[in-house]
Amino acid sequence: EAQVTQNPRYLITVTGKKLTVTCSQNMNHEYMSWYRQDPGLGLRQIYYSMNVEVTDKGDVPEGYKVSRKEKRNFPLILESPSPNQTSLYFCASSLKPSSGTVKGNTIYFGEGSWLTVV
Amino acid sequence: QKEVEQDPGPLSVPEGAIVSLNCTYSNSAFQYFMWYRQYSRKGPELLMYTYSSGNKEDGRFTAQVDKSSKYISLFIRDSQPSDSATYLCAMRETGANNLFFGTGTRLTVIP
Repeated sequence: EAQVTQNPRYLITVTGKKLTVTCSQNMNHEYMSWYRQDPGLGLRQIYYSMNVEVTDKGDVPEGYKVSRKEKRNFPLILESPSPNQTSLYFCASSLKPSSGTVKGNTIYFGEGSWLTVV
Repeated sequence: QKEVEQDPGPLSVPEGAIVSLNCTYSNSAFQYFMWYRQYSRKGPELLMYTYSSGNKEDGRFTAQVDKSSKYISLFIRDSQPSDSATYLCAMRETGANNLFFGTGTRLTVIP
């Protein structure tokens, strides 16, 4: 079954305590990305990766790091979390989005990770 | 001004009603238009995909794109309680990697 798996699903942490949200996909997709979803702001892209060792900033990268050492994994790192990073986070993967096909424009999202920073 | 504007609702309709969901956008370079459906506590999933202008129908769902007005719509006919979800529009330029999402419209279909 095609899946994007992210962990943890729910986390409460304290300001400044480093944390990592893992993401793994089993579809051999080149493109992976992280979004955060906030009320009234919708989905905003944090970082994306076109392939192994290739990452780039999205719209809201401040306070986040990513790495893409393997094609299937794309962890999101919060080095020093702050309360304004309390949000619902989604990992996503797809084929190269420049393709004009439906398949190329289908983004598969994980189930989401609810993060609260106190 | 946001790239994509979407009325957040919430929208409540009786079962069987026709639902119209809409988004406007400002970037005339957007060529790919999508609607995602997001159930509570789940990730969004692709519902409809359209390239450039025109209509696309899939069962009870119809997606329309009017590029001259920078306006896209999703129609749901004979709405069902199982259609209750948040609907997000999304769009991107040809060759671009980034997808721009609307804020989502929460729909409730009342039995």
